[in-house]
Amino acid sequence: GAVVSQHPSWVICKSGTSVKIECRSLDFQATTMFWYRQFPKQSLMLMATSNEGSKATYEQGVEKDKFLINHASLTLSTLTVTSAHPEDSSFYICSALPGLGGNEQFFGPGTRLTVL
Amino acid sequence: RKEVEQDPGPFNVPEGATVAFNCTYSNSASQSFFWYRQDCRKEPKLLMSVYSSGNEDGRFTAQLNRASQYISLLIRDSKLSDSATYLCVVNGAGGFKTIFGAGTRLFVKA
Repeated sequence: GAVVSQHPSWVICKSGTSVKIECRSLDFQATTMFWYRQFPKQSLMLMATSNEGSKATYEQGVEKDKFLINHASLTLSTLTVTSAHPEDSSFYICSALPGLGGNEQFFGPGTRLTVL
Repeated sequence: RKEVEQDPGPFNVPEGATVAFNCTYSNSASQSFFWYRQDCRKEPKLLMSVYSSGNEDGRFTAQLNRASQYISLLIRDSKLSDSATYLCVVNGAGGFKTIFGAGTRLFVKA
């Protein structure tokens, strides 16, 4: 199957700093990528839909100025958590949708963010 | 009402048992349906797609009932390695507006 990578796999940072997470589709082009957040023992919650070359679409309740998304190429989307706070500590997972009309999303391995 | 609802479990079953999970969804316009498996602290992985005609993959059978707006997953002859959280996933058209259920936890014991 298609492979999606994320970097870093885990990060610990101080409160107030910004953290950038990369999501790459390694063997296919992804016109659409999704960013999810998962708190312990909860399901994945869609944060935003990222389309190559255009602005991301954020879900209700997700602050676009805090979670900056850039999808500059067909294989890379980045999520920057700005001025991170302890409540932003979570598991962030991206997924990519191949631009072939299918509905299966391929998930990255996730990034565990801990804000001290 | 949640858009996608699942029984959180946990389901504790012995090896070899048959176990079934249900999932209901609220949007009748939903287009595609999946079951994903998620192991602890890992990303979800696609288990199988769910079609109106039903589909089977080895010990796993998935079914969709559009009239009642639910999907099901049946696992036969449970293995220890089946222990995981099973996520029901519902998509709008073109893969957009993906909604994940909260997951059903399964523990298979020897």
